[in-house]
Amino acid sequence: ETGVTQTPRHLVMGMTNKKSLKCEQHLGHNAMYWYKQSAKKPLELMFVYNFKEQTENNSVPSRFSPECPNSSHLFLHLHTLQPEDSALYLCASSQLTALGRSSSYNEQFFGPGTRLTVL
Amino acid sequence: RKEVEQDPGPFNVPEGATVAFNCTYSNSASQSFFWYRQDCRKEPKLLMSVYSSGNEDGRFTAQLNRASQYISLLIRDSKLSDSATYLCVVRPGDTGRRALTFGSGTRLQVQP
Repeated sequence: ETGVTQTPRHLVMGMTNKKSLKCEQHLGHNAMYWYKQSAKKPLELMFVYNFKEQTENNSVPSRFSPECPNSSHLFLHLHTLQPEDSALYLCASSQLTALGRSSSYNEQFFGPGTRLTVL
Repeated sequence: RKEVEQDPGPFNVPEGATVAFNCTYSNSASQSFFWYRQDCRKEPKLLMSVYSSGNEDGRFTAQLNRASQYISLLIRDSKLSDSATYLCVVRPGDTGRRALTFGSGTRLQVQP
């Protein structure tokens, strides 16, 4: 079992709908991530959360709104999406280790993803 | 220049063959390196970490060349089940909180 679960696994929505993707990790990690993977493209990092605080937002459009209520749960709220937003959305978690003044991300564990289709 | 570059392939090899992938990275301060494997329509999974001295796990051998800024993955005695996309992953060494950087992947197709 992966230790990182995502729901729903598949989602079809219209451009005017509002939906949310959910991710839960059972690994005791303190960092969580959202990635987008479009067909035949590499993984694109969207957001990073450390200890519930957002630390990275890679120029993601505001129609994607993340929420991290605690270190085990991560949501991605979707509204007024475009057809080009259709992709596999992957959640991941890892343990962030403090090293002096810097911090170190260790290997990430991924959830199975939500395959999103925007009509 | 991309932070992590890989040949997208596909590499089509017969069962039992030995195949090697290379990956180059641009940030000389990068600290940690990994190979992930991603099956079609599935999530990426850690295959192995890459250590400075090189490391081996069964049929898989990973090497790091810091001087030339590349890492490699060697697969011996290829199996049909090795067919997948192999992602090169680098952790930047800069201070600050930057997540892992993924390459676009190299696709391997092992044929009977």
